Amino acid sequence: GAVVSQHPSRVICKSGTSVKIECRSLDFQATTMFWYRQFPKKSLMLMATSNEGSKATYEQGVEKDKFLINHASLTLSTLTVTSAHPEDSSFYICSARSDYNEQFFGPGTRLTVL
Amino acid sequence: AQKITQTQPGMFVQEKEAVTLDCTYDTSDPSYGLFWYKQPSSGEMIFLIYQGSYDQQNATEGRYSLNFQKARKSANLVISASQLGDSAMYFCAMREGEYGGGNKLTFGTGTQLKVEL
Repeated sequence: GAVVSQHPSRVICKSGTSVKIECRSLDFQATTMFWYRQFPKKSLMLMATSNEGSKATYEQGVEKDKFLINHASLTLSTLTVTSAHPEDSSFYICSARSDYNEQFFGPGTRLTVL
Repeated sequence: AQKITQTQPGMFVQEKEAVTLDCTYDTSDPSYGLFWYKQPSSGEMIFLIYQGSYDQQNATEGRYSLNFQKARKSANLVISASQLGDSAMYFCAMREGEYGGGNKLTFGTGTQLKVEL
């Protein structure tokens, strides 16, 4: 199956700093990528839909200025958590949609904000 | 109303037995897709099986089968011959519309499955 990578897999940062998470589709082009957030033992919550070459569509309640999304190419979307705080600590997962409407998930990034 | 409901927070099954994980959904869209994913403790989401709303037959993929009952709006996952490696969190998810919503998925709350010797 198609491969989606995320980098970094784990990051610890200080409160007030910004963290960038990359999501790459390695063997296919993805015009649409999705960013999810997952709290421990909870479900995945969609944060935003990232479309190549245009602005991301954010779900209700997600601060677009806090979670900046850039989908600059057909294989790369980035999520930047700006001015991170401890409550932003979570597991962030991206997925990429192929031309055949299949959706492939990345391995996730565990963010810890001290 | 919840779009995807998984009523079993946790399930235990003995090795080699079959287990059914429940999932009910709610949508008014005539075209939708239902997915099951497995999430081991490492965190990655592993696609297991897909059922389209217009599919006439229940989906099967190896030891996984989906018991699709459209009138009851249920899409239960059946795992046959459970293995220790099946221990994980299992999520049911729905995509509404053939291409609607940009193909975004709505997830249930998950069922933690533990396979015992």
